[in-house]
Amino acid sequence: AQSVTQPDIHITVSEGASLELRCNYSYGATPYLFWYVQSPGQGLQLLLKYFSGDTLVQGIKGFEAEFKRSQSSFNLRKPSVHWSDAAEYFCAVGASNTDKLIFGTGTRLQVFP
Amino acid sequence: DAGVIQSPRHEVTEMGQEVTLRCKPISGHNSLFWYRQTMMRGLELLIYFNNNVPIDDSGMPEDRFSAKMPNASFSTLKIQPSEPRDSAVYFCASSLARFNYGYTFGSGTRLTVV
Repeated sequence: AQSVTQPDIHITVSEGASLELRCNYSYGATPYLFWYVQSPGQGLQLLLKYFSGDTLVQGIKGFEAEFKRSQSSFNLRKPSVHWSDAAEYFCAVGASNTDKLIFGTGTRLQVFP
Repeated sequence: DAGVIQSPRHEVTEMGQEVTLRCKPISGHNSLFWYRQTMMRGLELLIYFNNNVPIDDSGMPEDRFSAKMPNASFSTLKIQPSEPRDSAVYFCASSLARFNYGYTFGSGTRLTVV
């Protein structure tokens, strides 16, 4: 069965600094990978997804993620963080034979001005 | 499109009472998912439907929980009787053509059982 690990529970960055949120997955075949963002009191919003092809995927709000099969990772990046990016970020993995998504435990991002 | 609509947004109930959470998926989406979010356990998939048929309910915690999808535009999650440990945020999500486009989540129902 697939699983997801987000090693960082809480990350703090200064506004304008670069950001990288880590995600490691476990799945025997090529996974379907997603990043979602959750603002306080809101549902989850899809940032980007990877199914196949180019391993660097672009998403909304200036985010990108890179799939690295050798490291079983799908890290989320942003070159310059804005205060409005403060939220909780979830990585998720799906399999080709199921509709289920398995979510990581999330990383809470705090942005200082 | 109004997105996935959940009601109520907040629910406070007494232990032992029946609670019904409601979800209207996006029109045309054929998969619907119920998740529960808590600090301790994160996001847990409770049950999902495909074309109104329950496909996997292995995440439903116990017999006190039940879910239905009588038609393509409506689903309910019922807890009877409710217990304080059921307090959580319950999310409904829907998707088109499996998850190729990603799930669209509702805003959630915050349930407090006292």
